[in-house]
Amino acid sequence: SQTIHQWPATLVQPVGSPLSLECTVEGTSNPNLYWYRQAAGRGLQLLFYSVGIGQISSEVPQNLSASRPQDRQFILSSKKLLLSDSGFYLCAWSPLGVSTDTQYFGPGTRLTVL
Amino acid sequence: KQEVTQIPAALSVPEGENLVLNCSFTDSAIYNLQWFRQDPGKGLTSLLLIQSSQREQTSGRLNASLDKSSGRSTLYIAASQPGDSATYLCAVPDSNYQLIWGAGTKLIIKP
Repeated sequence: SQTIHQWPATLVQPVGSPLSLECTVEGTSNPNLYWYRQAAGRGLQLLFYSVGIGQISSEVPQNLSASRPQDRQFILSSKKLLLSDSGFYLCAWSPLGVSTDTQYFGPGTRLTVL
Repeated sequence: KQEVTQIPAALSVPEGENLVLNCSFTDSAIYNLQWFRQDPGKGLTSLLLIQSSQREQTSGRLNASLDKSSGRSTLYIAASQPGDSATYLCAVPDSNYQLIWGAGTKLIIKP
């Protein structure tokens, strides 16, 4: 069966510090991978998605970047965090090429920037 | 541009009641519609996926309906239980297969 992992679960970082959140998927190959941010009381905002190694699409201009160094690894990064980067970050995967399938979510990372 | 709206934003009902959560979307040309559940501080769990050719899907006490022409979906929860307390989100894929999300309905079932 497939599983998706995210770490860390929670993170408190000062403004201006770097960020690295990691997501890995097990039990599947060539997944589509997604990074979302969820602000309190709001829906999910798609940040990045990837259909393959080194292929990253950004949905919104922001202070963040994403990388996919391996097939089942997706990393969200920032060089200098802003207060507005605080939120709940979710990684998800879906089967490649299946437009009508669901997405499967990781447990999320709660990021607080102080 | 597709927009997804969920009403109400929050709902509190006594245990045992049947209830309906609503989801509306502006562009009826959808591939499917999905309902997810999110427990506080947790990731999302897929509950039901309704393909565009379907009218409803059922899983246990949950029933989701889809009316594409009117741009609406409902999630019906029968005989609600305290364990059903969570935020329920609906989502539809856009033309690039990326999900467009509603803001969710926070449901509280009182024992």
